Amino acid sequence: RKEVEQDPGPFNVPEGATVAFNCTYSNSASQSFFWYRQDCRKEPKLLMSVYSSGNEDGRFTAQLNRASQYISLLIRDSKLSDSATYLCVVNTNAGKSTFGDGTTLTVKP
Amino acid sequence: NAGVTQTPKFQVLKTGQSMTLQCAQDMNHNSMYWYRQDPGMGLRLIYYSASEGTTDKGEVPNGYNVSRLNKREFSLRLESAAPSQTSVYFCASSGLATGVYEQYFGPGTRLTVT
Repeated sequence: RKEVEQDPGPFNVPEGATVAFNCTYSNSASQSFFWYRQDCRKEPKLLMSVYSSGNEDGRFTAQLNRASQYISLLIRDSKLSDSATYLCVVNTNAGKSTFGDGTTLTVKP
Repeated sequence: NAGVTQTPKFQVLKTGQSMTLQCAQDMNHNSMYWYRQDPGMGLRLIYYSASEGTTDKGEVPNGYNVSRLNKREFSLRLESAAPSQTSVYFCASSGLATGVYEQYFGPGTRLTVT
């Protein structure tokens, strides 16, 4: 079983839709959590950190459930520019990260 | 402030050739990483360096060596390239900010081994 698992998708949604991605992790000692975005053939870029209390950045909301070892990302009012691969990242020790394989999102007009 | 830079951007090698991928960061980060990403796959950690003077193996270290030259630079060497090492290689760095380690990536090196 992989340390970090994501639904690979692809998710194909119309503009304006709300879409949610899920991620589970196996190491209960994990300390910090992130969502990254990766555009085709580009480097991953940090989208947002994920905090236990949940956090929001504009149209993006991230949630963490430590008891269930589960992370989610909700995107509201999807834009064409949101089309990308979204990577779930878990830090188990200070300075070392494990990446999920990513969930691909395509937003269509 | 360039962030994380990598050279070269593209490289084609023949089987058995060697090469070194260079990475540098100007964010004064302690930790640096090398990942590979195969087509349609996630990132896999090759080696990382938690601080200057230390290096540790990641998930897929075989066939690679690394050097943490100083705090800024972290190089990855392929001693005898194989077609299985055809991939995109990303370097990243991270520093402790607000209690968590966020990673910042370079633009990648696209390597083809024939």
